[in-house]
Amino acid sequence: EAQVTQNPRYLITVTGKKLTVTCSQNMNHEYMSWYRQDPGLGLRQIYYSMNVEVTDKGDVPEGYKVSRKEKRNFPLILESPSPNQTSLYFCASSFGWGDQPQHFGDGTRLSIL
Amino acid sequence: RKEVEQDPGPFNVPEGATVAFNCTYSNSASQSFFWYRQDCRKEPKLLMSVYSSGNEDGRFTAQLNRASQYISLLIRDSKLSDSATYLCVVNGQFYFGTGTSLTVIP
Repeated sequence: EAQVTQNPRYLITVTGKKLTVTCSQNMNHEYMSWYRQDPGLGLRQIYYSMNVEVTDKGDVPEGYKVSRKEKRNFPLILESPSPNQTSLYFCASSFGWGDQPQHFGDGTRLSIL
Repeated sequence: RKEVEQDPGPFNVPEGATVAFNCTYSNSASQSFFWYRQDCRKEPKLLMSVYSSGNEDGRFTAQLNRASQYISLLIRDSKLSDSATYLCVVNGQFYFGTGTSLTVIP
């Protein structure tokens, strides 16, 4: 089954404790991205990657890191999480860049206390 | 000005009604347009792409108006299961509307 898999689905943690949200897709998509979704603000892009070893900042990259060492994986890293990073996070992937619809993971709900 | 703007609603309509949403975009060079559906706290799912000539999928019709820079989504004969938030997306990955909330009432 074609899918984007995120883990964990839910996480409650404390300020400053490094965490990683994994994202994996099995569709051989070149393009992957991370979004956060907050009430009233919609989906905002954090980082995106057009291919292996190619990543770039989206609209709200502060406090986040990513890596793309393999085509299928695109982890999101919070080195020192803070309460303002409490949000619903989505990973997405697509074949093309700009002209193809994206497939989204199920989402990760992060709470930073 | 935001790249993509949607009326957030909420739209509350009775079953069987026809409802339409618009989404305006600011970049006249935009080439690809999509409508997604998002249920509460779930992932967005592609509803339909929007083609220049307009396209229809069952009860759903999407249209593009380049001159006025907006896309629209028309839902006919609304069902309870259509209750969701509808997101418009311009240029694939980059520009998401904040979504329009639809509740279909029995």
